[in-house]
Amino acid sequence: DTGVSQDPRHKITKRGQNVTFRCDPISEHNRLYWYRQTLGQGPEFLTYFQNEAQLEKSRLLSNRFSAERPKGSFSTLEIQRTEQGDSAMYLCASSLVGERETQYFGPGTRLLVL
Amino acid sequence: AQSVTQLDSHVSVSEGTPVLLRCNYSSSYSPSLFWYVQHPNKGLQLLLKYTSAATLVKGINGFEAEFKKSETSFHLTKPSAHMSDAAEYFCVVRGGGADGLTFGKGTHLIIQP
Repeated sequence: DTGVSQDPRHKITKRGQNVTFRCDPISEHNRLYWYRQTLGQGPEFLTYFQNEAQLEKSRLLSNRFSAERPKGSFSTLEIQRTEQGDSAMYLCASSLVGERETQYFGPGTRLLVL
Repeated sequence: AQSVTQLDSHVSVSEGTPVLLRCNYSSSYSPSLFWYVQHPNKGLQLLLKYTSAATLVKGINGFEAEFKKSETSFHLTKPSAHMSDAAEYFCVVRGGGADGLTFGKGTHLIIQP
């Protein structure tokens, strides 16, 4: 399978714990995006990378959220000191930069904070 | 800044009848517009995209959409609904700025047998 993959697919954690999600993009794609989707809503853009550079992070929801893409391949999204309001689906997408850029999405990681 | 309004939160049609899902957009730039579909417990799948070429865009599974600049609309249609079309559909805009996509709230398509 050469699509976008995410791990884990499901995560249950207790309030106050830290969690980290991983995204592996389509191999030749140089852009990688993170989104959050809450129940009954469309995905909400959080941040994105072009190669290893994080070009936009002002949309991250709070300073508890951070993302990395150290070698320009896979990326991680970390949430520190989780809160119940962080419960959501976290989606990753990748693309090849260009005028006709199209983002391809992974299956998501569903987070439940108890 | 850009935004998307999906005019119906739920649409119900009978199998074999036409589908119309409505979307209006707002963008300060010449936008790229997309429709994505999300089946239960599956990832978002691209149905079709408009990137300033032909205004009538054909997508997968018989869907198509027409870009109308004067009406700022990008409605999704299909001539004949199939049971497998039941899903959540998102109208999406991309234009300048942070390059992240802006999603509508979604339209839940229900197919009656």
